[in-house]
Amino acid sequence: LAKTTQPISMDSYEGQEVNITCSHNNIATNDYITWYQQFPSQGPRFIIQGYKTKVTNEVASLFIPADRKSSTLSLPRVSLSDTAVYYCLVEGAGKSTFGDGTTLTVKP
Amino acid sequence: GAGVSQSPSNKVTEKGKDVELRCDPISGHTALYWYRQSLGQGLEFLIYFQGNSAPDKSGLPSDRFSAERTGGSVSTLTIQRTQQEDSAVYLCASSPIRNEQFFGPGTRLTVL
Repeated sequence: LAKTTQPISMDSYEGQEVNITCSHNNIATNDYITWYQQFPSQGPRFIIQGYKTKVTNEVASLFIPADRKSSTLSLPRVSLSDTAVYYCLVEGAGKSTFGDGTTLTVKP
Repeated sequence: GAGVSQSPSNKVTEKGKDVELRCDPISGHTALYWYRQSLGQGLEFLIYFQGNSAPDKSGLPSDRFSAERTGGSVSTLTIQRTQQEDSAVYLCASSPIRNEQFFGPGTRLTVL
């Protein structure tokens, strides 16, 4: 399964847009890209999933270029409650491997 | 509807004892995953069940770890002869066909 690489940490301020990029050079044809959010002492929670181009839901957007070797999670106008660890995951039909995640800290 | 549930929420055991962790997935979800998360670390894949297919056990760290899924629903993760390095949060997730995983709250295992 494709290995993912993300920045270890990012800082932002309330109201800003945050973009977190993940590299997955060995992504396979049938793999999807999924992002999860995890707060301390909780299990990860699904944010968004995509295969190619752009996907948008009520909380985030996911941008995937044509070669699919990277993806960018975009969080518009973050708030303090968005402080969490964000995981990029490449998922196929089976075993899934989470990377170390990106710790996002939103400051007032 | 009900989400993924896990029990117990916390388990403290002595080194060398066996433990069983339980996961109740969302009804109708065909896939079930077990992960381990040590303090401050990412999630480590342990095992994956999909329907009636043979499970993918490639993430189990040693032969002290085993898991089963009865009737395509409830799953039990068993750790025999626990060691201190087994201390972690054990997370279970279930998934419908399209890969989005729904996680339970986890079981925090402490081996003294």
